[in-house]
Amino acid sequence: DTAVSQTPKYLVTQMGNDKSIKCEQNLGHDTMYWYKQDSKKFLKIMFSYNNKELIINETVPNRFSPKSPDKAHLNLHINSLELGDSAVYFCASSHEQGADEQFFGPGTRLTVL
Amino acid sequence: GQNIDQPTEMTATEGAIVQINCTYQTSGFNGLFWYQQHAGEAPTFLSYNVLDGLEEKGRFSSFLSRSKGYSYLLLKELQMKDSASYLCAVTPGYSTLTFGKGTMLLVSP
Repeated sequence: DTAVSQTPKYLVTQMGNDKSIKCEQNLGHDTMYWYKQDSKKFLKIMFSYNNKELIINETVPNRFSPKSPDKAHLNLHINSLELGDSAVYFCASSHEQGADEQFFGPGTRLTVL
Repeated sequence: GQNIDQPTEMTATEGAIVQINCTYQTSGFNGLFWYQQHAGEAPTFLSYNVLDGLEEKGRFSSFLSRSKGYSYLLLKELQMKDSASYLCAVTPGYSTLTFGKGTMLLVSP
């Protein structure tokens, strides 16, 4: 099926650990994104990549490092996890930058203990 | 800065019509989106407006007034499955989508 997929769906870890979330889209889109949705359901952009190049970095701590090995993949690595990092992380993609419909992955629920 | 306001919660009855309002103040404007998000699921696209006026798509319609910084999503013939969070989002510039905090709609029988 054509879609945006993320792994893992659930991630439970201890404070101070390092973890990665993977995202892949097979829609042929040029632009990919990472969003964070907190406990109050507020969805906030973290990063935007276009053709493997970083376009947007919205004041995210440098413990978060996105990596795009090719335009179909955008992975998120998080160092030294903190309690406040607990949230649902959504990957998304769109055909073009700017005002274009975004397709979201199923989300990764990260719980930091 | 960007500011997008929408009501936190709304309730309505099955078969009724509900209007969810969204006001925005953003530095630049390149279009307004509405997304639907069911509990525990990903947001899904509902509509996009960039010009003033009403866009109709089945039971859902979306309206935009750029001069007033205002949009609404109109849901007709409400069904139980329409219970979800409705997210207003604005593209203030290139490649950025800024979301409001969402309106949780509860449809009761």
